[in-house]
Amino acid sequence: NAGVMQNPRHLVRRRGQEARLRCSPMKGHSHVYWYRQLPEEGLKFMVYLQKENIIDESGMPKERFSAEFPKEGPSILRIQQVVRGDSAAYFCASSSKTGVYEQYFGPGTRLTVT
Amino acid sequence: KQEVTQIPAALSVPEGENLVLNCSFTDSAIYNLQWFRQDPGKGLTSLLLIQSSQREQTSGRLNASLDKSSGRSTLYIAASQPGDSATYLCAVRRDAGNMLTFGGGTRLMVKP
Repeated sequence: NAGVMQNPRHLVRRRGQEARLRCSPMKGHSHVYWYRQLPEEGLKFMVYLQKENIIDESGMPKERFSAEFPKEGPSILRIQQVVRGDSAAYFCASSSKTGVYEQYFGPGTRLTVT
Repeated sequence: KQEVTQIPAALSVPEGENLVLNCSFTDSAIYNLQWFRQDPGKGLTSLLLIQSSQREQTSGRLNASLDKSSGRSTLYIAASQPGDSATYLCAVRRDAGNMLTFGGGTRLMVKP
């Protein structure tokens, strides 16, 4: 059973460009969470999605950030017009919809904005 | 608003020592608590998950305890090894399916 997959692992963007980060949850998992880890800071929740629904986006900046989890395909975190402050590691986690909702994390995408 | 604190922020011990990492949270109304390990530049590996109704969980040399009423959890590592060197994170969940709130982590170095 493959774990949570994220790609790309490393992404370099110039200021003003768009960044698209992809996350494929573990097989059988229908809940996806995105977290951000800024340099020298802890992990902070951004958004929680189920298939075709955003359940909680309370941690996501109101401007430039969006997320989706379509019926088919991976979850996408999209950052428009990136700025240097967006440089961080972005982690995706998934859990099943039953049981203890243990979250399994992907390896992360390290975004560098130049 | 839930706040999670981990003490100490960094710890350096000689190989073979038993050690305790501490985690405290301000809101005791939690669903469960997870301990993770993060190696530099890598993702998170789940170590132990304790449901709110449980007092402890064990896996190999690791033992995690939970005192929900006082808002505390500890991770006990027995007979530490250099391979245990990593950052250890605790995180709490308020409700089933809810997001995790993380502590700042404890950076552990085990010296040979």
